[in-house]
Amino acid sequence: DAGVTQSPTHLIKTRGQQVTLRCSPKSGHDTVSWYQQALGQGPQFIFQYYEEEERQRGNFPDRFSGHQFPNYSSELNVNALLLGDSALYLCASSPPAQNIQYFGAGTRLSVL
Amino acid sequence: AQSVTQPDIHITVSEGASLELRCNYSYGATPYLFWYVQSPGQGLQLLLKYFSGDTLVQGIKGFEAEFKRSQSSFNLRKPSVHWSDAAEYFCAVGEGAAGNKLTFGGGTRVLVKP
Repeated sequence: DAGVTQSPTHLIKTRGQQVTLRCSPKSGHDTVSWYQQALGQGPQFIFQYYEEEERQRGNFPDRFSGHQFPNYSSELNVNALLLGDSALYLCASSPPAQNIQYFGAGTRLSVL
Repeated sequence: AQSVTQPDIHITVSEGASLELRCNYSYGATPYLFWYVQSPGQGLQLLLKYFSGDTLVQGIKGFEAEFKRSQSSFNLRKPSVHWSDAAEYFCAVGEGAAGNKLTFGGGTRVLVKP
C-alpha cells in the first residue's frame, strides 16, 4: 500500500514564475491538506480539500491556490513566486471522518 | 487561536539515556494532540496521538506521551534513546471538528551522542 506521494521531489524556479505541485493521497483517504515548512520552522497550514472543494484555509495569500480531483489527488499552485516562497511543501491525507494526517516526503521548492 | 510552544530548540542526549521533549498548547476546547518526527530531508511520521481517555498514550518506536490538562502540556518521553532517534520532533494540536487543520510547534532537534 503506497503512502502519500508527492511530485516533484525538488524544483527550482525564478521569481515571478508559477509552479504546480502534485499529491496522491493514501489509498482510501479522501481529505488532502497542504503545509509550507520554511527552513528551521514547523509546518504551517495552507489549505485543505475535501470533496473537491477547499474546506479550510490558513493565512496565505491568494497566490496560493489548489485543486482536488475526483480520485482525491490534489495540486497546489503558487503564482508570482517570491523568494520567501522557498520551502518544503508537505501534503497530508486523512481517512474519512478521522482526525489523523499522514504526510508525504514533500517537495523542496527553491525560488531564485 | 490555537498555538503550540516547544520551549527547547535543541536537546543533546547520550545513547541509552532517557529523553523528554516538552510541548505546551493553547486551545479553548479539548485538544487533539499529536507528536510527529522528521528525519533530515524527509516528511513527517506520526509517533502518537491523544484524542481522549487515558492520559498516557503509547506510540511507535518506544515513545510515550502524557496529556496534562492542568498544565496544558503534552510531553513526549522515551526511556532509552537509540542513535536512530536523532531527528526533529514536532508537537501539533488539531481542531476537534472533521476539518482537522494542524497547528505545529517550532520543533525540537534531538542530537544523540554515542
